Amino acid sequence: EAGVAQSPRYKIIEKRQSVAFWCNPISGHATLYWYQQILGQGPKLLIQFQNNGVVDDSQLPKDRFSAERLKGVDSTLKIQPAKLEDSAVYLCASSKTRQGASTDTQYFGPGTRLTVL
Amino acid sequence: QKEVEQNSGPLSVPEGAIASLNCTYSDRGSQSFFWYRQYSGKSPELIMFIYSNGDKEDGRFTAQLNKASQYVSLLIRDSQPSDSATYLCAVTYNQGGKLIFGQGTELSVKP
Repeated sequence: EAGVAQSPRYKIIEKRQSVAFWCNPISGHATLYWYQQILGQGPKLLIQFQNNGVVDDSQLPKDRFSAERLKGVDSTLKIQPAKLEDSAVYLCASSKTRQGASTDTQYFGPGTRLTVL
Repeated sequence: QKEVEQNSGPLSVPEGAIASLNCTYSDRGSQSFFWYRQYSGKSPELIMFIYSNGDKEDGRFTAQLNKASQYVSLLIRDSQPSDSATYLCAVTYNQGGKLIFGQGTELSVKP
């Protein structure tokens, strides 16, 4: 079974530029998550999708971040415009259960390391 | 604000010893508790989860949960240098599956 795929793996941009990250979850997984992990910290949830609907986006900075999951499979996370403090690893994860059970295992992709100069 | 706290470490143990990693959480409504391992430059990988009070064992790993004290721990027996990594504690609060992570504890196992 193929794992969660993400691209690009690395991205370097200037502040105020825009950037987009792509995620392809494990086949058949209904729930998709985007996390931000700043160096030395644990991952922080940005947005959670169940199929193509948003379940939780309470910590997404909506003035600059947007995400979509068209057709309930692939997802794209965009930052526009980027700030220095957005430098982090952006992790995509997916889980199987449509109901999002509290014991449902989340599988993480390799992440995209973003550096904002 | 739901919080998960871990000692950032680093925690250093000799090879073959027991490593003990601790985690506290602020919300008594917490339902499930996960331990992830993250090697430097890699993504988190699940070690195990626990949701009932007591101990749960999986190979060299034992998770311990005490809901009254709002405390969860991970014991690693016969620690190996390959166990050197950051260990992340995470908590879910509802059926939505959202994980709240601690900041992670760096473990170093010395040969």
